[in-house]
Amino acid sequence: EDQVTQSPEALRLQEGESSSLNCSYTVSGLRGLFWYRQDPGKGPEFLFTLYSAGEEKEKERLKATLTKKESFLHITAPKPEDSATYLCAVQATGWGGSQGNLIFGKGTKLSVKP
Amino acid sequence: NAGVMQNPRHLVRRRGQEARLRCSPMKGHSHVYWYRQLPEEGLKFMVYLQKENIIDESGMPKERFSAEFPKEGPSILRIQQVVRGDSAAYFCASSDGQGYGYTFGSGTRLTVV
Repeated sequence: EDQVTQSPEALRLQEGESSSLNCSYTVSGLRGLFWYRQDPGKGPEFLFTLYSAGEEKEKERLKATLTKKESFLHITAPKPEDSATYLCAVQATGWGGSQGNLIFGKGTKLSVKP
Repeated sequence: NAGVMQNPRHLVRRRGQEARLRCSPMKGHSHVYWYRQLPEEGLKFMVYLQKENIIDESGMPKERFSAEFPKEGPSILRIQQVVRGDSAAYFCASSDGQGYGYTFGSGTRLTVV
């Protein structure tokens, strides 16, 4: 069964304290891995898409990396405005893997204190 | 350049009533996806539609739930005879079908009392 597991469930950081969020996945074949940010009461906001092992993408203080089994979202020198829930999702190939079917993890709730 | 518009933002229904959730995709997007987020759960795929066609409804409950995306107007997710377990946030996303990036709306929070 295709599934996505994110860890930790919650993470508290001091401003400027760098860390990483983990997303482990099990899929029959990976079409793409997505990172989203979700603020309370809002919809997910797209951050990155990664397609193959070894790929990396950066945006401001965020950097996403991908291996064959997991993805990391590295946060460098975070600020309070980075506080949010970060969601990881995969899109699988093969039977049933239609274009629309993203499989989400439960997310990591990040709190950054000033 | 408006994003994905969902309405209403909040919807309260009594058990047994019908709920209708609307989604207008981003301008230029013709692919619409519905997801449900239960408390303490991750987002779960429900259905994928293009104009006048259901492409994949593998995540839709077999009974009481239906979705459409007519030639004109927004996509509609319809829940008949709602029960307490239907209380959740329902999100709509859209894409242009060319790549794999989806833009999500702000969601409709359905509460069944």
